[in-house]
Amino acid sequence: GNSVTQMEGPVTLSEEAFLTINCTYTATGYPSLFWYVQYPGEGLQLLLKATKADDKGSNKGFEATYRKETTSFHLEKGSVQVSDSAVYFCALSSSNTGKLIFGQGTTLQVKP
Amino acid sequence: EAGVVQSPRYKIIEKKQPVAFWCNPISGHNTLYWYLQNLGQGPELLIRYENEEAVDDSQLPKDRFSAERLKGVDSTLKIQPAELGDSAVYLCASSLHNPVGQGGTGELFFGEGSRLTVL
Repeated sequence: GNSVTQMEGPVTLSEEAFLTINCTYTATGYPSLFWYVQYPGEGLQLLLKATKADDKGSNKGFEATYRKETTSFHLEKGSVQVSDSAVYFCALSSSNTGKLIFGQGTTLQVKP
Repeated sequence: EAGVVQSPRYKIIEKKQPVAFWCNPISGHNTLYWYLQNLGQGPELLIRYENEEAVDDSQLPKDRFSAERLKGVDSTLKIQPAELGDSAVYLCASSLHNPVGQGGTGELFFGEGSRLTVL
C-alpha cells in the first residue's frame, strides 16, 4: 500500500542555517505530494504541494521538488528562522480520493 | 472565513466511559475527515465522508467507534466505551472534493483537534 517515510527528529538548527527534511514515499500510480506544518498549539496547515513529477512546490521560503525517479519530496529552506520551529509532515494523496497518508512528522527546533 | 471548528479541545475521562467529539467543517466543503493522531506520529485516517455518506471507514474500529454526519454538514465521532489506548488527538478536516486532476487543490483544512486522555 501507499506509505510515507520521513527522517526522524528532532532537528535542531541555529537561526539562518540551511534546512533539509527528507521524505520518501511508496505509492501506486501518480500521487500528489504535500508538506503540512503544525505550529505549537495550532492545527495542521498546508505548507506546499506538488501534483506531478518534477513540479516544485514553494511557500514562505520553503521548497520541495517531486522526484519520481527517487520517490522523494525533500523539504528545504535556505535560512531558517526561530518562527519556523514546528512539526513538519510529509503526505501523499491518490489523485482520485483526496485521502491523505502522512509520514510520522519531523520536529524542527530553531535556536536564536 | 471561519476554519474547521472542533470541540471540546480537551477531554479527560475514565476508561469505559463514553466520549463524543464534534466538528463543524468549513462552509461549503462537502468532504469531511476524522483522523487519529497518536503522540509522535502522523495522523491516520479513521473515516471520510462525502456529503452524508461514509465512503471510507475501513480504519474505524467499529466495535467501539461510531461517527455520523447528519445533513452533510457537522459531524460527531463517538467512542463507547473508551480504553486507555484511545488517548490521542482526534483531528477533523474538510475539503472541497474535486480531485487534483479535475481542478481541485487536494488541500485538506484541519481543525485544532480534540485531545483525549483516558485514565
